Amino acid sequence: GAVVSQHPSWVICKSGTSVKIECRSLDFQATTMFWYRQFPKQSLMLMATSNEGSKATYEQGVEKDKFLINHASLTLSTLTVTSAHPEDSSFYICSARAGPNTGELFFGEGSRLTVL
Amino acid sequence: GNSVTQMEGPVTLSEEAFLTINCTYTATGYPSLFWYVQYPGEGLQLLLKATKADDKGSNKGFEATYRKETTSFHLEKGSVQVSDSAVYFCALSANSGGSNYKLTFGKGTLLTVNP
Repeated sequence: GAVVSQHPSWVICKSGTSVKIECRSLDFQATTMFWYRQFPKQSLMLMATSNEGSKATYEQGVEKDKFLINHASLTLSTLTVTSAHPEDSSFYICSARAGPNTGELFFGEGSRLTVL
Repeated sequence: GNSVTQMEGPVTLSEEAFLTINCTYTATGYPSLFWYVQYPGEGLQLLLKATKADDKGSNKGFEATYRKETTSFHLEKGSVQVSDSAVYFCALSANSGGSNYKLTFGKGTLLTVNP
């Protein structure tokens, strides 16, 4: 199946710094990528939808100035957590849709962010 | 709006036991339904799906039938193995008015299978 890779898989940073997480589709072109946040023992919460070459669409309650999303190419989307705080510590997961008319998504391995 | 409710875990079974994880949904229109599995330390993987009423999705011995009358998509397996230990997510995909087909997930059910 299609492969989506995230980097880094885990990162620890100090409060107030910014962290960038990359999401790559390795063997297909993804016009749309999704960013999720997963809290312990909770479901995945959709943060934003990232479309190649255009601005991301954020879900209600997600701060777009804090969670910067860039989808500069058909195989790469990045999520930057700006001025991170301990409450931003979470598991961030990206996914990419392999086809235009399917709800099937392929997920990255996730990136665990810990803000000290 | 759309929502997915699945049984809360954790679920602990012995090897070769029968598994059922309940999932019900609320959605407008005719959603597609999915079960995703997340093994420890890994990302989500699609386990099976069904795109219309009465469809049965199946994979790796797991099955789920799309029941529109009960708005359910329960996951079953006749004989679980230790390697099935994971978190299972029920999800639906409904056209949100655009072409993005965003997924709505349930909270996940942790399954532990003991030898």
